[in-house]
Formats: sequence, structure tokens, C-alpha cells
Amino acid sequence: GAVVSQHPSWVICKSGTSVKIECRSLDFQATTMFWYRQFPKQSLMLMATSNEGSKATYEQGVEKDKFLINHASLTLSTLTVTSAHPEDSSFYICSARDLERGDYNEQFFGPGTRLTVL
Amino acid sequence: GENVEQHPSTLSVQEGDSAVIKCTYSDSASNYFPWYKQELGKRPQLIIDIRSNVGEKKDQRIAVTLNKTAKHFSLHITETQPEDSAVYFCAARGYGQNFVFGPGTRLSVLP
Repeated sequence: GAVVSQHPSWVICKSGTSVKIECRSLDFQATTMFWYRQFPKQSLMLMATSNEGSKATYEQGVEKDKFLINHASLTLSTLTVTSAHPEDSSFYICSARDLERGDYNEQFFGPGTRLTVL
Repeated sequence: GENVEQHPSTLSVQEGDSAVIKCTYSDSASNYFPWYKQELGKRPQLIIDIRSNVGEKKDQRIAVTLNKTAKHFSLHITETQPEDSAVYFCAARGYGQNFVFGPGTRLSVLP
């Protein structure tokens, strides 16, 4: 149980284009999902908290107009990188909480999406 | 906000030896401390966690200790095996707060 998937697993795009990444909770409902970015040999940095049915909460320094987040259902959150540039190339990982498990603390991570912008 | 430091950044041990990774946190309100193992290009996997009302927790070869007064917690891996080689991240979280991750430790277990 508590499986989180991401699609695509990797994507290569041209500079200036937009890329959408999906994060799904497969066997549980997630009212809250998180989006992280991880540069090579670095730690996970929280970009934003995605709440079902409401606007996402962005961390300081993360441009909300560039990284669009939509959490339209209890099992799906999407991150759209708009007008991508080479410096946006990174490993994007989502995570979700399963509140019904009664463990408010644990987060379940998706497998990540490697974005390369040429 | 919370700040998590982690040491060492790299650690090499001989197979069968023990490995210890230490983390410190700044926010005394933090009450949940997970440890994640991440292999190259893969998702972080929770290996053990501890809550602030517990001082130590053990799961087979892995243990975590927490010193709330000093605001530090440590991961202990005994009888290390080559498959333990990975990057390990500690994290801290307060109630209603988000995870803050440490910078990671690259563990290499030499056969």
C-alpha cells in the first residue's frame, strides 16, 4: 500500500517549452502532496505544497508562475514547468501523505522525473 | 525556520563494520525525524524514523538515537553490506510543518 507514481520518468525538451509532470497516489487518497527538486549530488528541496481543491503553497524563492501546480483530485497533482530553461534541468520528486493510515508524519515518495532542458 | 545539518558528507567503511551518520536540527518544536536511503536516480526510501517521545529505535541492523536536549539524532548501521551503499538523508519535521532535509551522506561500503 501507499504507492505513489510519477509520469513521465524522464523528459527532454527544448528551451522555452512547457513540461507537465503528473504525480498520482495509486492506492490511497492524498489531500496533500509535495513537490521537491533535487539537483545532482544535492538534497531534496521543497518547492511547494499542493492541497486538493485549493491553491498551492510555494516555498520562498520558487516562482509560482513558472512552476504551476494543480491538485484537482485526491489522487492527482500536476506540476507544469513553463518556459523551461536549461537551469530548470533537475530531478523532480513528489510525495504524498496518507491521512487515513493514521500516521500524520510519514510521506511516500514518487519515483521522480528527470527533466533535461536543451 | 528549521535548519538541518548532517555529517559526514561522505563515509567509507569496510564491509562488516559499523557506520554512523549524525544530524542536528535547530527548531526545538520538531518532533519527527525520519531517515531516507536514496540510490542513484531513484526515490528516497524510508528506512527508519523516530518521534520526539522516544530516545532510541532499532530495526535489525539499523538504529536511530535522538537527543532532544542537544537537538541531534544519529543513524547507526551495523554489519554493513555492499548493498547499504547509497546516499542517506535525515529530515526533521514539526507538527503542521513540512520536512526539512539534511544535505545527505554518501555511504560507500567497501567489499
